[in-house]
This record gives sequence, C-alpha cells and structure tokens, in this order.
Amino acid sequence: QITLQESGPTLVKPTQTLTLTCTFSGFSLSTSGVGVGWIRQPPGKALEWLAVIYWNDDRSYNPSLKGKLTITKDTSRNQVALTMTNVDPVDTGTYYCAHRRIQIWRGVFDIWGRGTRVTVSS
Amino acid sequence: EIVLTQSPGTLSLSPGERATLSCRPSQTVNSNYLAWYQQKPGQAPRLLIYSATGRATGIPDRFSGSESGTDFTLTISRLEPEDFAVYYCQHYGSSPFTFGQGTKLEIK
Repeated sequence: QITLQESGPTLVKPTQTLTLTCTFSGFSLSTSGVGVGWIRQPPGKALEWLAVIYWNDDRSYNPSLKGKLTITKDTSRNQVALTMTNVDPVDTGTYYCAHRRIQIWRGVFDIWGRGTRVTVSS
Repeated sequence: EIVLTQSPGTLSLSPGERATLSCRPSQTVNSNYLAWYQQKPGQAPRLLIYSATGRATGIPDRFSGSESGTDFTLTISRLEPEDFAVYYCQHYGSSPFTFGQGTKLEIK
C-alpha cells in the first residue's frame, strides 16, 4: 500500500526559506518510472502543480516559480524535499505530495498525501 | 503552458440527477494524459479518471469520462449525497502539469 505524508513548518515569515518533506512508503524512488511531485492549494483556490522528481534524478518545475523552488530526493530514507526561497504571503496554502509512475496509467498522480498547511506571515 | 478552463464554475443539482462537467484546454491535449480529481473540504484530491476515460481503482461506475473534439467531460450519472464536492481536471503529459480552476458541485 502506497502512502505519502507531508511535514514541515506551519508558520514562516516573509523572505524566509521554506522546506517541506514528503515521507513515503510502499514504493521506492529507485524504481524505474517512479516520481514524486508537489502540488499546492491556496485557501479557497485551485490546485497548482509545483515540481516533480524522478527515479533517475530528472526534475521539472513550474516555470512560474522556477528559481524559487528546489526539489531533492533521499532514496535511502524514502523522502522528497521541496525548498522554496523568499516566501511571500501568497505562498500560504496546503502543500501536497503525490506519487506517479510512468508505466501506470500514463503516469497520473494517483496517490496523494493528506497535505500540510503553511502560513506565511510576519 | 496549457490552460484548462472548467465549466460551469458551480453546478447546483439534486441527488439522483445527472451531472456533466466540462474541461476545455487552450491547446490540444493528448487524451492519454487527462485526469479528473474529486476534492472534499479538508481532504486531499482523489483520483477519479485517468487517460480521459479510465476509472481509477475503487471508483464507482456512475463516474465516467469522455472526450468530444477538443473538450473533455466528466459525467456522474446519478448523484449520490457523497458526490457533492469540487472537481478538477489536470493534464499530465508534459510539464507544467496544469489543473483547471475547478467546478463546485453543490446540492440544490
């Protein structure tokens, strides 16, 4: 059974750096085709895809946030981290991580974590 | 970047009725890479449909996806009380994997 769980600070100040961690089980990020992505959702608004990292260390970022985001993986610890620099109140929201596997259903993001809420405020 | 426009923004229906939700991409989307998600308040999105028409594991058969020309549709044949939620479409073929703005399905 695949599970993912997000963790990180609930409150950060503007201009600080935010680091979120996704800890997963039931799959390995060393398996061909596997990826973990991050998606966020401001309060009352739509979902926004942020970044994804793959088993082969390929990464992809939302161009609107490129330069602000870094995604990394620790295969041995079954974790993926997302770092966001120079945060702003507009970065407030719930952050989700999700699993994908290219060979399964064309790589749809099929399993999601429950999300972690982040507030950016001074 | 592909923009997905969902309509209507809000749909008010009664249990037992049929719901039809639309997702229109700003440019051609390969139907193999179009998904639909359901999100209830305080919960993570749940995958309903992948590759435009495939039902994810455990999804009731009252949920179906289709493609007509360039548009994609999610149909719920007979609404159950638990179906009232927000629905998002997403394309996932190439980055950035954009989402639509969502359709809120509310009880009339």
